[in-house]
Amino acid sequence: KQEVTQIPAALSVPEGENLVLNCSFTDSAIYNLQWFRQDPGKGLTSLLLIQSSQREQTSGRLNASLDKSSGRSTLYIAASQPGDSATYLCALIPNAGKSTFGDGTTLTVKP
Amino acid sequence: DAGVTQSPTHLIKTRGQQVTLRCSPKSGHDTVSWYQQALGQGPQFIFQYYEEEERQRGNFPDRFSGHQFPNYSSELNVNALLLGDSALYLCASSLGQGDSPLHFGNGTRLTVT
Repeated sequence: KQEVTQIPAALSVPEGENLVLNCSFTDSAIYNLQWFRQDPGKGLTSLLLIQSSQREQTSGRLNASLDKSSGRSTLYIAASQPGDSATYLCALIPNAGKSTFGDGTTLTVKP
Repeated sequence: DAGVTQSPTHLIKTRGQQVTLRCSPKSGHDTVSWYQQALGQGPQFIFQYYEEEERQRGNFPDRFSGHQFPNYSSELNVNALLLGDSALYLCASSLGQGDSPLHFGNGTRLTVT
């Protein structure tokens, strides 16, 4: 059974700091990994998708890496801003069906 | 380019009642997945529909059922509501049977009293 773990559950940093969010999983198989952002009471906004054959993806101040051998992904946020405050979730996206999500890391960026 | 839309946004039901939630996928997408998200937890996969058939199902009882229409829109039905069914229900759309990225709607907040 696929399990996805995100540690820490919560993180508070001052504005401008660079930070790393972690996602670990038990079964790498042939999966894509997708990072999302969720604001309180809202749906999920896709940030980055790393396909199973890739090792990283970048978008603006965000960089996500995937290491299937160790069962880990990291989301790097550069120069954090108060607007980055949200819950960040990672998900393993299999071929045909049952995606598995972590419980997320709630990030607070203090001005 | 219309994204994923869900209706209603909020719903209050009484224990034992039945509810229907609706989802329209992102333009060009043909696959719809439904998730249940309890407070403070990640989304839990309920089921996925492709070509009007349920393709995959998570660990949810038969009280949870769904349907996909020829225009790819989908419904989630929950019968005999329990207090524990209170959650945010999320719909995600994607393309084809492969591993394309998921695009989510804003969800339906269901409260069962």
